[in-house]
Amino acid sequence: GEDVEQSLFLSVREGDSSVINCTYTDSSSTYLYWYKQEPGAGLQLLTYIFSNMDMKQDQRLTVLLNKKDKHLSLRIADTQTGDSAIYFCAERGTGRRALTFGSGTRLQVQP
Amino acid sequence: GAVVSQHPSWVICKSGTSVKIECRSLDFQATTMFWYRQFPKQSLMLMATSNEGSKATYEQGVEKDKFLINHASLTLSTLTVTSAHPEDSSFYICSAIAGEGNQPQHFGDGTRLSIL
Repeated sequence: GEDVEQSLFLSVREGDSSVINCTYTDSSSTYLYWYKQEPGAGLQLLTYIFSNMDMKQDQRLTVLLNKKDKHLSLRIADTQTGDSAIYFCAERGTGRRALTFGSGTRLQVQP
Repeated sequence: GAVVSQHPSWVICKSGTSVKIECRSLDFQATTMFWYRQFPKQSLMLMATSNEGSKATYEQGVEKDKFLINHASLTLSTLTVTSAHPEDSSFYICSAIAGEGNQPQHFGDGTRLSIL
């Protein structure tokens, strides 16, 4: 079945850029998403990219997609302490409405 | 826009009790809603897909008689954990999709269920 993998932990200093990586196996993925989860809360949609795009930028967030390598990344510029959270990568395959989630990357921002 | 409200946010009850969790789309109509379960420090596991006016589709390994799902309107889906036991303690999260197209899923804030 489909599989999505992420590194578990990333620590950066405030003001630096953060890059969270994700790989997936489903070659039929149509949309790829990044969600943010703060402690005890639900998931907040940050951004998403259609599979025919290479890059999408939204303010401090930049998403890069390498479809050939099935690799997705989320770059957060000028990382702030409020960005500390768990970031989930998710993919949606053709004909499916449900998402397959990665294990989540815990981002820790040090002041 | 695209706000999903989940209620209650936290519930503690005794073993054997049935617990109902509501998921509402506040500013859009959701033809499809999803129910996930999340264990501590783990990812989300899809339990079932709920379509308005029809039976829910359960993922493999999820007991449909244990986790009853009702999607009676375009803005409300409910998950009832019947005869709950301590192993059912978890964080349950719902999500909803607006319309039939390729819209993203929007999530509720989750319900923390603790069974004593």
